[in-house]
Amino acid sequence: GDSVTQMEGPVTLSEEAFLTINCTYTATGYPSLFWYVQYPGEGLQLLLKATKADDKGSNKGFEATYRKETTSFHLEKGSVQVSDSAVYFCALGGGGADGLTFGKGTHLIIQP
Amino acid sequence: DSGVTQTPKHLITATGQRVTLRCSPRSGDLSVYWYQQSLDQGLQFLIQYYNGEERAKGNILERFSAQQFPDLHSELNLSSLELGDSALYFCASSVEGDRLAKNIQYFGAGTRLSVL
Repeated sequence: GDSVTQMEGPVTLSEEAFLTINCTYTATGYPSLFWYVQYPGEGLQLLLKATKADDKGSNKGFEATYRKETTSFHLEKGSVQVSDSAVYFCALGGGGADGLTFGKGTHLIIQP
Repeated sequence: DSGVTQTPKHLITATGQRVTLRCSPRSGDLSVYWYQQSLDQGLQFLIQYYNGEERAKGNILERFSAQQFPDLHSELNLSSLELGDSALYFCASSVEGDRLAKNIQYFGAGTRLSVL
């Protein structure tokens, strides 16, 4: 069945550091890939998406490229801020299973 | 603000009881999805309704049921509650009824259920 694997953390970085959160997936068909972010006490917000191979999603300085050959969708940001502290979820939809399939989430902590 | 409204925010109840969680989707969205977030299982898809009809089922227990009303709001009913049902329950909505969820889903803030 469909599955998503991501580093769980916590990942602790200093402000202005480079961020990479790895995400790999297993799916049948041709899924769409998503990154969602959850701030403390809030629901999930869509951060970015990509619908086909080689698509790059980007938003608020975050980027991720849909790599079919490596079945990956790694999240990157060039310079993180304290306000980026949150839990980040990689997810896929349309791979064969119903609904979205989520990774376990990566807790990101940015220190000033 | 995603436009998806969930009530109540918190619910505390006892084992064996029954509760109802409510969700109002974004204006214009016809699909409602329910997810459960727990520490051990992570985020899991429970069930989807589209325009009043069940469209897809995930890892939903038989003790749980849902429905979507003509005004498109949805309710998730949890009965014979057990300690292990304590979790955060999210509702999400989307315009399309795609059961494979290729389209963007917008999430509510969730209902935190504590079963004591």
